[in-house]
Amino acid sequence: GQQVQQSPASLVLQEGENAELQCNFSSTATQLQWFYQRPGGSLVSLLYNPSGTKHTGRLTSTTVTKERRSSLHISSSQITDSGTYFCAMERTTGANTGKLTFGHGTILRVHP
Amino acid sequence: DPKIIQKPKYLVAVTGSEKILICEQYLGHNAMYWYRQSAKKPLEFMFSYSYQKLMDNQTASSRFQPQSSKKNHLDLQITALKPDDSATYFCASSQDGGSYAEQFFGPGTRLTVL
Repeated sequence: GQQVQQSPASLVLQEGENAELQCNFSSTATQLQWFYQRPGGSLVSLLYNPSGTKHTGRLTSTTVTKERRSSLHISSSQITDSGTYFCAMERTTGANTGKLTFGHGTILRVHP
Repeated sequence: DPKIIQKPKYLVAVTGSEKILICEQYLGHNAMYWYRQSAKKPLEFMFSYSYQKLMDNQTASSRFQPQSSKKNHLDLQITALKPDDSATYFCASSQDGGSYAEQFFGPGTRLTVL
């Protein structure tokens, strides 16, 4: 089955609204990272958050390792936030090779 | 200045040919990775290297061969290209290999195999 599940698959917001993106994973994780991608663009690291809560700008991520989930909160969304958000984790295997497993992403569209 | 350089940005190849995708990072990192993103599948891990040594290989085919001539270089040679190899290939790096290290991605090379 899918190791990293993201929800919702897509989200449409009006500018200024908040967004909550969810990530659930099927096994314990040694690392958890959120990325952003514009169509045709590269992956931009937003937050590296293997556990606890981290903030940067309008972004807040909370990872609850025991419950195998992480969330990304975007406050006061802007049109330029539109794009795809990926959650990626590395499974706790003992090998620790840096292999990130990605979810399918959440496509966010912010309208004026 | 870009910290992770991938060349070329776009690449068109014919079936059966061989290509090399270039990746250089100037972040002073010790670990480098290759990932692939295609329309059919989510982002997939391919290889990880730490201090120029292979740490993990998740590609099923020997047609994909990473090459590390320097610590900050990790090229990807693909032989006997197939249309299914069409994808965007991303190089990434982190301070250290393995877990507990944030990964940073390059701009990607978009490969089309005809």
